[in-house]
Amino acid sequence: AQTVTQSQPEMSVQEAETVTLSCTYDTSESDYYLFWYKQPPSRQMILVIRQEAYKQQNATENRFSVNFQKAAKSFSLKISDSQLGDAAMYFCAYRGGSEKLVFGKGMKLTVNP
Amino acid sequence: DAGITQSPRHKVTETGTPVTLRCHQTENHRYMYWYRQDPGHGLRLIHYSYGVKDTDKGEVSDGYSVSRSKTEDFLLTLESATSSQTSVYFCAISEGGRSYGYTFGSGTRLTVV
Repeated sequence: AQTVTQSQPEMSVQEAETVTLSCTYDTSESDYYLFWYKQPPSRQMILVIRQEAYKQQNATENRFSVNFQKAAKSFSLKISDSQLGDAAMYFCAYRGGSEKLVFGKGMKLTVNP
Repeated sequence: DAGITQSPRHKVTETGTPVTLRCHQTENHRYMYWYRQDPGHGLRLIHYSYGVKDTDKGEVSDGYSVSRSKTEDFLLTLESATSSQTSVYFCAISEGGRSYGYTFGSGTRLTVV
């Protein structure tokens, strides 16, 4: 079974600084997708960014980018120019051939003004 | 807005009583899922459906049952609620195909007293 590990339960960053959230996963599949979801205090799950395993180019969405290292099974999220609104729980997730999304345990990001 | 709603948003129930949570979608997506979210555990899959009357278990299915008699509705039932089932429950939908993530409902906070 696939597993997703987020080893840092909490992080903090100063406003306008850059922060990197780590995620590793374990799978025997070669074709899969990886996602980062954000969950603010409102509880809503919001898709931040996704990466297709067969694409070597790292995905970017405005201030959010990923560092995808397929051989190392690593999928980190970089948030540039952090804003107060970025404070949230962040979940890394994996989806392979089973149509089921497997989540890490999450990481709480605090943004300090 | 992806057209997915969960009801109720909050519920308090007594131990031993049956409880049904409802998920309704207007997107005509094939796949529907129920997750529970607990601190330190992330989101864990309870049950999912890949079509009308087609359902399967997730990793934490004990004590839960589901039904899907129409494409748009996916019901989660706690047969006899226990305090360990106090949690936030999320419904999610997906078109299928591995390029897509999920779209989530707003969640139901269930407290079993």
